[in-house]
Amino acid sequence: DQQVKQNSPSLSVQEGRISILNCDYTNSMFDYFLWYKKYPAEGPTFLISISSIKDKNEDGRFTVFLNKSAKHLSLHIVPSQPGDSAVYFCAAPLRVTGNQFYFGTGTSLTVIP
Amino acid sequence: DAGVIQSPRHEVTEMGQEVTLRCKPISGHNSLFWYRQTMMRGLELLIYFNNNVPIDDSGMPEDRFSAKMPNASFSTLKIQPSEPRDSAVYFCASSPRTAHNSPLHFGNGTRLTVT
Repeated sequence: DQQVKQNSPSLSVQEGRISILNCDYTNSMFDYFLWYKKYPAEGPTFLISISSIKDKNEDGRFTVFLNKSAKHLSLHIVPSQPGDSAVYFCAAPLRVTGNQFYFGTGTSLTVIP
Repeated sequence: DAGVIQSPRHEVTEMGQEVTLRCKPISGHNSLFWYRQTMMRGLELLIYFNNNVPIDDSGMPEDRFSAKMPNASFSTLKIQPSEPRDSAVYFCASSPRTAHNSPLHFGNGTRLTVT
């Protein structure tokens, strides 16, 4: 049972435009969310996170928005660059079980030069 | 900081053979995780350790899978006997503390192909 879902397996965006990656979750006990970025033949690397006490967190070109009532979060990349082409995973840890992270299935972003 | 080191990077084996994947976490990290990535299910947690002790192995798919962490700097994931459906990329990750919001640091993975 996927508690964290990324329903778009792929996304293509023109360089300089905005990329929006979406993530939905089902468990209302999640109170912290992370985005990871993964290049081919490498492991995922941490990108940005947000606590449930916030609805927005920004780090340079990357902004994560959280809508708790909708159990939805999104990652915005502005402006998109070819080097952003990667697979992006949404993840949420469950406090009650310690460090057990639930990951989405990933969205493959392609930024077209 | 060398990061999380996994070996081998690629493993090709025949069905029925034993496979051992290895992981060296980042020094000082006290939590270690084994994940499996597949197209259908994304990243699935198999097992994780805190201070070398297995905490949750409910993600281990079958008794054919076993994991050990004999010390703070080494862990193994063993599959015996291996089956074609075990083909996937296996990631090891470590974390510096047990706080639930501590980001994971991943290795580059082992791509396992079972024929």
